[in-house]
Formats: sequence, structure tokens, C-alpha cells
Amino acid sequence: QVTLRESGPALVKPTQTLTLTCTFSGFSLSTSGMCVSWIRQPPGKALEWLARIDWDDDKYYSTSLKTRLTISKDTSKNQVVLTMTNMDPVDTATYYCALLYCGGDWFDYWGQGTLVTVSS
Amino acid sequence: DIQMTQSPSSLSASVGDRVTITCRASQGISNYLAWFQQKPGKAPKSLIYAASSLQSGVPSKFSGSGSGTDFTLTISSLQPEDFATYYCQQYNSYPTFGQGTRLEIK
Repeated sequence: QVTLRESGPALVKPTQTLTLTCTFSGFSLSTSGMCVSWIRQPPGKALEWLARIDWDDDKYYSTSLKTRLTISKDTSKNQVVLTMTNMDPVDTATYYCALLYCGGDWFDYWGQGTLVTVSS
Repeated sequence: DIQMTQSPSSLSASVGDRVTITCRASQGISNYLAWFQQKPGKAPKSLIYAASSLQSGVPSKFSGSGSGTDFTLTISSLQPEDFATYYCQQYNSYPTFGQGTRLEIK
């Protein structure tokens, strides 16, 4: 059974760096063909894909946010970490981690999402 | 970035109706197109991938078609649980989502 869970601060101040952790079970990021993606959704707005990390440590970033994003994995802990620098109120959103498309097969597993508010 | 444009942005329909949502890509994406359903307060759920392949467990009332730049999602015989927001996503390059189509009960 695959599960994913996001964790991190609910509130960050403008200009701070956000660090989110996705803890997953039911699969391993050392297995060929697996990956974890991050997607966010501002309140009442559309989904936005942010980043993906593959089993072989290949990393992919949103073109518009790539200068602010870093994705990494800790295979031994079954965790993926996303950092986003220079947070702004427009970054207020629910952040999801998910196991979706990894370049080959399609999956459909999502965390429940974590709401991050950026405010002073 | 590849821009995805959905139409309509919102749609009112009745139980039992058949509806179609359109998604257009700003450049050709072959069949690298997925559709998601999202209900309020919940994570999205994948319905279709590769433009027309149904995700496991998704009822056959959902169908997708298209290739290149123009795609459609059709939902037949609408039931109360189908009223939600639907998103298309291209994954030919770095993934991008459409702006969403809100399907409401008439």
C-alpha cells in the first residue's frame, strides 16, 4: 500500500526559505522507474507542478521556479525534501507530494497536502 | 513552457447528462496528456493518461481523446459524485496544468 505524507511549517515569513518533507511508504526510490513529484495549489486556483526527483537522482524543475527550488532524496529514510527560497505571499498554497508519471509507467498516489501560508 | 488552455472554465449540467471538456496545448505534445479530477478539500485523482488510457479503477464513463494539440475529456451519464473540477496536464516536457474546468450541478 503506497502512502505519502507532507510535513513542514504551516507559516513562513516573506524572504524565508521553505523546507517541506515528503515521507512515503509502499515503494522505494531506489527502485528503477520510481519518482516523487511536488505540486502546489494556491487557494481557489489551479494546480502547478513544481519538481520531480527520480530513482536515479535525476531532477526536474518548473522552468519558472527552478532558481528557487531544490529537490533531494534520502532513500534510507524514504523521504524527499523540497526547499523553496525567498518565499513570497503569492507562494501561499497547499503543497502536495505525489507518485505520478515517472517517465514510463503512470501511478496515482498523492499525499493529503499541507497548507503553507506566507505572511509576516 | 507549454501552455494548456481548457474550455469551458465552468460548466453547468444535470444528472444524467453527457459533457465534454476541451484542452488545447500551445504546441504539439503527441499523446502526453493526462486528466485529473479534484473535489473540494481533496487531492486530485488521475483519471486518464496518454490522452485516452483509463487509470485503473476509473469507470468507463470517463473517456479521453486527442493527439497533438487538441484533446477532450468526455463524461457520460453524470452522477452527483462527478461534479468536481477537472484539470488537464501535459507531460511531454516539464509538466504544466490547464486552469481547470469546474463542473457544477444545474
